Amino acid sequence: KQEVTQIPAALSVPEGENLVLNCSFTDSAIYNLQWFRQDPGKGLTSLLLIQSSQREQTSGRLNASLDKSSGRSTLYIAASQPGDSATYLCAVEHNNNDMRFGAGTRLTVKP
Amino acid sequence: DGGITQSPKYLFRKEGQNVTLSCEQNLNHDAMYWYRQDPGQGLRLIYYSQIVNDFQKGDIAEGYSVSREKKESFPLTVTSAQKNPTAFYLCASSSSQGADEQFFGPGTRLTVL
Repeated sequence: KQEVTQIPAALSVPEGENLVLNCSFTDSAIYNLQWFRQDPGKGLTSLLLIQSSQREQTSGRLNASLDKSSGRSTLYIAASQPGDSATYLCAVEHNNNDMRFGAGTRLTVKP
Repeated sequence: DGGITQSPKYLFRKEGQNVTLSCEQNLNHDAMYWYRQDPGQGLRLIYYSQIVNDFQKGDIAEGYSVSREKKESFPLTVTSAQKNPTAFYLCASSSSQGADEQFFGPGTRLTVL
């Protein structure tokens, strides 16, 4: 059974710092991996989607990498801003609509 | 505007009552999903539907029921059989399974009194 782990559970950084969020998964037979942002009490906003054949995706200050063989993904946030404060979730999807989520990393960017 | 709407935002229910959570999308997506989120845990799949009049159980379907009579709508009923229904419920949709991103609604927070 697929297990998705996100480390750390919480992270606090000063504004302007570059940071990396980690996601690991136990079953490498995935279809895609998706990173989401969740603000308190809100739904999820998709940030980046990486297909299993891809190694990375970039959007603005965000860069996500995928290493299927080692079961790892990282989300790199450059020049962090207070508005980046949120919970970041990674999710892996198998080709049978089975999508597994990590518990998330709660990020606080201090001004 | 295109998107997914869930209503209500907050819902309170007495123990032993059934309650239905609404999810509507105007994105013309075929697939829709219901997840439950508990504090400190990832989302867990309750039910999903790939096409109208068809749906499949997820990991934690016990105590829940769904219907998919229209492409745009995928209501979730939390029945009295659900032992611990207090949670945050998220609905999502995608164009098709697998390759496409899932887009999420704003969520409904259900509290059982």
